[in-house]
Amino acid sequence: QKEVEQNSGPLSVPEGAIASLNCTYSDRGSQSFFWYRQYSGKSPELIMFIYSNGDKEDGRFTAQLNKASQYVSLLIRDSQPSDSATYLCAVTMIYNQGGKLIFGQGTELSVKP
Amino acid sequence: GAVVSQHPSRVICKSGTSVKIECRSLDFQATTMFWYRQFPKQSLMLMATSNEGSKATYEQGVEKDKFLINHASLTLSTLTVTSAHPEDSSFYICSARPGGRSTEAFFGQGTRLTVV
Repeated sequence: QKEVEQNSGPLSVPEGAIASLNCTYSDRGSQSFFWYRQYSGKSPELIMFIYSNGDKEDGRFTAQLNKASQYVSLLIRDSQPSDSATYLCAVTMIYNQGGKLIFGQGTELSVKP
Repeated sequence: GAVVSQHPSRVICKSGTSVKIECRSLDFQATTMFWYRQFPKQSLMLMATSNEGSKATYEQGVEKDKFLINHASLTLSTLTVTSAHPEDSSFYICSARPGGRSTEAFFGQGTRLTVV
């Protein structure tokens, strides 16, 4: 079982719709959860991080964390063609293993005009 | 956010030669830096964790004698790919984490290595 799992996609949504990206992780010791966006040929850029159960909103983005279910998601409201990219979920244990990030395989999102 | 500069962004080298990639934190001190490798259509795979002033910690399956990591200062880590082979061609990305309790890591621009 992979430590961090995502559906590879591609996930296709029309412009203006809500895109829902999902991620599960295997290690219950995971403490911090990150969503990164990566455009082709570029390095990842941080969208959001979340530590506590529940929802965290930042503009059009909402991260949701459920530690009991070992599940973290990212919702993108009012999706735009510029949101088309690969979205990477990453988890870390702060106090163990040097805080290294473990990445999922990424979900490719395509927003159609 | 904080800035991490990675250089070069693209390099082509001959098989058997060595290539050095630099990762610098420009506006913060990075006690820990991470080196990742990414093959096309795949995710980032952690190669090693670099701590200032100490030896790097390599992930399982990563040859420490082939991928030399030096973290000589709080703002610079280098990755040297020794005796490069075509299968080492990949996208190498560094990230740096500020000291203290911050868990957020900032990424460099990445280096596209092509070994011919």
